[in-house]
Amino acid sequence: GAGVSQSPRYKVAKRGQDVALRCDPISGHVSLFWYQQALGQGPEFLTYFQNEAQLDKSGLPSDRFFAERPEGSVSTLKIQRTQQEDSAVYLCASSMGTGGRNEKLFFGSGTQLSVL
Amino acid sequence: GDSVTQMEGPVTLSEEAFLTINCTYTATGYPSLFWYVQYPGEGLQLLLKATKADDKGSNKGFEATYRKETTSFHLEKGSVQVSDSAVYFCALSDGAGGSYIPTFGRGTSLIVHP
Repeated sequence: GAGVSQSPRYKVAKRGQDVALRCDPISGHVSLFWYQQALGQGPEFLTYFQNEAQLDKSGLPSDRFFAERPEGSVSTLKIQRTQQEDSAVYLCASSMGTGGRNEKLFFGSGTQLSVL
Repeated sequence: GDSVTQMEGPVTLSEEAFLTINCTYTATGYPSLFWYVQYPGEGLQLLLKATKADDKGSNKGFEATYRKETTSFHLEKGSVQVSDSAVYFCALSDGAGGSYIPTFGRGTSLIVHP
């Protein structure tokens, strides 16, 4: 595709429900990042993939958060037993190379998750 | 750890006014510095970057100079337009911890009135 695509655009979940957020990166991009953006804040790092390998998951806030990228392209961020504090915009970004110092990130429009 | 501090918004200007958005950073290593812009309803997109001290990044009339001595990367534009209304994010990437995970500031909203 032309850009990074995320779905759904909006998700409303009841507290305790499991959710799955999808990211389709730009075709051929090696690196994939997930960020969480709370209202009025900047993106906060969650996890990083290089192809199918999850190289850094230090930003995942709890073991309820799980991400995968099994074939090195599409990625899914799963949140189990959602809590109100999980309400945020979840951003996916991809980059062409292996995440070097000067690498440009391409972002999707995000999934806005509201937990009621 | 790494961090980026941006001036709080919103910044409200009239068309053709001069813009400055302040950004300072703390980094473990020698970072590259970036400005990303987010227009309403869209994803963040790279506006400009600088990779070493005294470099100036520029794009679409925006400029920012990498100042290592003051750990700053302030964004400037000489004459803003209504179409520049957006949220601007300062970011850095320095490889601390072995991988280059960009760290972002909280963003500064710019509103330009006709």
